[in-house]
Amino acid sequence: DQQVKQNSPSLSVQEGRISILNCDYTNSMFDYFLWYKKYPAEGPTFLISISSIKDKNEDGRFTVFLNKSAKHLSLHIVPSQPGDSAVYFCAASARSGFQKLVFGTGTRLLVSP
Amino acid sequence: GAVVSQHPSRVICKSGTSVKIECRSLDFQATTMFWYRQFPKKSLMLMATSNEGSKATYEQGVEKDKFLINHASLTLSTLTVTSAHPEDSSFYICSAELRQDEQFFGPGTRLTVL
Repeated sequence: DQQVKQNSPSLSVQEGRISILNCDYTNSMFDYFLWYKKYPAEGPTFLISISSIKDKNEDGRFTVFLNKSAKHLSLHIVPSQPGDSAVYFCAASARSGFQKLVFGTGTRLLVSP
Repeated sequence: GAVVSQHPSRVICKSGTSVKIECRSLDFQATTMFWYRQFPKKSLMLMATSNEGSKATYEQGVEKDKFLINHASLTLSTLTVTSAHPEDSSFYICSAELRQDEQFFGPGTRLTVL
């Protein structure tokens, strides 16, 4: 039962263009969402998060959009850079109880020069 | 930012042996640490939540007798894979909670069981 889904296993984008990574969730108890970037054989690195009371959060080149009614969030990276090439995981948690993160399956982003 | 280390980064062992993986928060104290496992091309799966001074809470389907977790201090949690088998080969990642909604991840440990 995959509660957090990233349906695109990979995405290729040209440098300078926008990268849009999508994530869907099924558990309506989730109220906090995070995006992580991960390189091979390394732990995930936090990128950006959003609480369910917001529908948008922006940090530099990264913007996360949340559509609660659709149970969908997306990460926009603009402009994309070759150094952004990595696997991106979205994660969700329900703030009640432990800060247990449920991860999506990841999307491999390749930004070509 | 906060730093979490894991040791070893890579371990190869024979089937039937036990392997201990350490997770340390280097510049902060963490009451709660988490252990994840990642299979190739799969998501990170939470295995257990480790609380300092108390028993770990295991996720459904994770064998607590096989994956022993000890959180003896506010900066150290250990995961011991007992009687390892080839199917235990995986990438194990820990995280430490600095404050609510802030987890910092270790670099991971790749375990290969021959």
